Amino acid sequence: QVQLVESGGGVVQPGRSLRLSCAASGFSFSEYAMHWVRQAPGKGLEGVAVISYDESRKDYADSVKGRFTISRDTSKSTLYLEMNSLRTEDTAVYYCAKVDWSGPTYWYFDLWGRGTLVTVSS
Amino acid sequence: EIVLTQSPGTLSLSPGERATLSCRASQSLGSSYLAWYQQKPGQAPGLLIYGVSNRAAGIPDRFSGSGSGTDFTLTISRLEPEDFAVYYCQHYEGSPLTFGGGTTVEIK
Repeated sequence: QVQLVESGGGVVQPGRSLRLSCAASGFSFSEYAMHWVRQAPGKGLEGVAVISYDESRKDYADSVKGRFTISRDTSKSTLYLEMNSLRTEDTAVYYCAKVDWSGPTYWYFDLWGRGTLVTVSS
Repeated sequence: EIVLTQSPGTLSLSPGERATLSCRASQSLGSSYLAWYQQKPGQAPGLLIYGVSNRAAGIPDRFSGSGSGTDFTLTISRLEPEDFAVYYCQHYEGSPLTFGGGTTVEIK
């Protein structure tokens, strides 16, 4: 079925690294831009990173620029988020999300994963 | 960056009542690229409305969206028990995508 499944979350110390994965199924992964959106405990939604369908464009929130890297592997239908130099304020549930329309990078999301929790704590 | 401000922060209503949620943008959304999502505890957000007023697949017609420019509204005509949740607006006019801070619709 059409779904996104995140993995890779966990507890990590400040300054360390973590890589999140998002496995896509049930749709043509290579045709859609993909986003990572996070939600700190009890807080709202924040767009973290985006990658266009053809990988020609990658954008990041100012809060993670230079520390996080988004990538995708079309052969595995998987989206990644490499997170380095983690800070306590990066603690959140991280969701991957698919845009509704093939082509545009910035669009609304019609499919979300269930999220993976990243806790940055000493 | 377009800032979206949602109000009220919390709406306390009873089942059967009408809910009116506001989303105000810091600059005009000329292309009407505004969406609404519903999030229940422990779940990912789910799409309700896109393009200001278009209901997503499977969304009941008690949900409606309206507005233009900088002021947008999500209306739930008659609240059902399953509608008590947090609602977020989001613009998609370009980089960066931003979300409003959310409105919690709680049972009075």
